Amino acid sequence: QVQLVQSGAEVKKPGASLKVSCKASGYTFTSYDINWVRQATGQGPEWMGWMNPNSGNTGYAQKFQGRVTMTRNTSISTAYMELTSLRSEDTAVYYCARSLGGTYYYAYDSWGQGTLVTVSS
Amino acid sequence: DIQMTQSPSSLSASVGDRVAITCRASQSISNYLNWYQQKPGKAPKLLIYAASSLQSGVPSRFSGSGSGTDFTLTISSLQPEDFATYYCQQTYSFPWTFGQGTKVEIK
Repeated sequence: QVQLVQSGAEVKKPGASLKVSCKASGYTFTSYDINWVRQATGQGPEWMGWMNPNSGNTGYAQKFQGRVTMTRNTSISTAYMELTSLRSEDTAVYYCARSLGGTYYYAYDSWGQGTLVTVSS
Repeated sequence: DIQMTQSPSSLSASVGDRVAITCRASQSISNYLNWYQQKPGKAPKLLIYAASSLQSGVPSRFSGSGSGTDFTLTISSLQPEDFATYYCQQTYSFPWTFGQGTKVEIK
């Protein structure tokens, strides 16, 4: 079955960087885009960007431009999301999600379990 | 950015009730609208894609309708496992955006 398994919880200090991994299994990793979404406590999800694992092409929300980088290692079917210059407002659960194209209109049919990131001095 | 506004923000209902949640986009998004269910401490789960298509494995009591700017998620007969928070998402134009959520609670 399709599975996305993310790296564990992190505690970071303001100004530090973060790198979350998302290991895919149960499908051909390069066939579907991976999106990253975060969710602060009590808030709705917030889209951060997308990556095509086949080409490596990416697209980021303007809010995160210059601070976020999405990459992948196809040999181990793993996607990564790096966020720099962390601030307290970046405290959230970060999710990777598989995006379906075509008639699914890019809906997310599979999600990672989430990675809690706490930014605190 | 396209703003997605859900209403109500919360509702109380009983098992067996028919429940409707609405989602309004700040501009037309055709039918590029998805619905998710989220339970505490869990990732969201896809229910409906392309406004009205039921995701595989999702019970048929869930249905979606609408196009353009106004959309509705309907649960025809609320079951105990349906108490959760529901989010709409537009994938019409970047940045993709979500609604703020509708929490469905037990009456």
